[in-house]
Amino acid sequence: GQNIDQPTEMTATEGAIVQINCTYQTSGFNGLFWYQQHAGEAPTFLSYNVLDGLEEKGRFSSFLSRSKGYSYLLLKELQMKDSASYLCAVRDLDRGSTLGRLYFGRGTQLTVWP
Amino acid sequence: DAMVIQNPRYQVTQFGKPVTLSCSQTLNHNVMYWYQQKSSQAPKLLFHYYDKDFNNEADTPDNFQSRRPNTSFCFLDIRSPGLGDAAMYLCATSGSSYNEQFFGPGTRLTVL
Repeated sequence: GQNIDQPTEMTATEGAIVQINCTYQTSGFNGLFWYQQHAGEAPTFLSYNVLDGLEEKGRFSSFLSRSKGYSYLLLKELQMKDSASYLCAVRDLDRGSTLGRLYFGRGTQLTVWP
Repeated sequence: DAMVIQNPRYQVTQFGKPVTLSCSQTLNHNVMYWYQQKSSQAPKLLFHYYDKDFNNEADTPDNFQSRRPNTSFCFLDIRSPGLGDAAMYLCATSGSSYNEQFFGPGTRLTVL
């Protein structure tokens, strides 16, 4: 089965750095995604990791350790507009599916204070 | 711009009255997905299409049906909405690499 855990809420101040952790258990891991979702809006893609290590994209970085079933999203130089929910999602090739369905965590609600 | 469009953005229906939500895409992607997302919860996959091949999730209620008449369009039919079906319904697409799913803006369904 799939079990994806991430903290429910986090707070930080403008200009700071925040790390959002995600742990997962899957039977057929085939990649981990991070999405940003503002209230009442659709999720938007932030990053994708399939191999161990750090992927950097501007102010956002994502790290993966497959052996530990662990990922984090690192947000630097926080801005007020970064206040949103951050969803961790794992692609799982379960039951022989070649499509690799995504399993989402509940999301971490990040609030950035001035 | 290539995108995923959902109509309407807000839908109000009455208990038991059938409702149809629509999704269209200009990305020419093979795969289209329907998710249900309730407040403060993870998006839950209801079903997906690979081209015209329909794939239902085991725990999707029979009350939910879907149609994909062509590559660009996909519909979600809720035959007899209950109060528990009030949620945001998200449509997403992906290409053959499956490296990224592109989401539409969602339709927020209210059941009275």
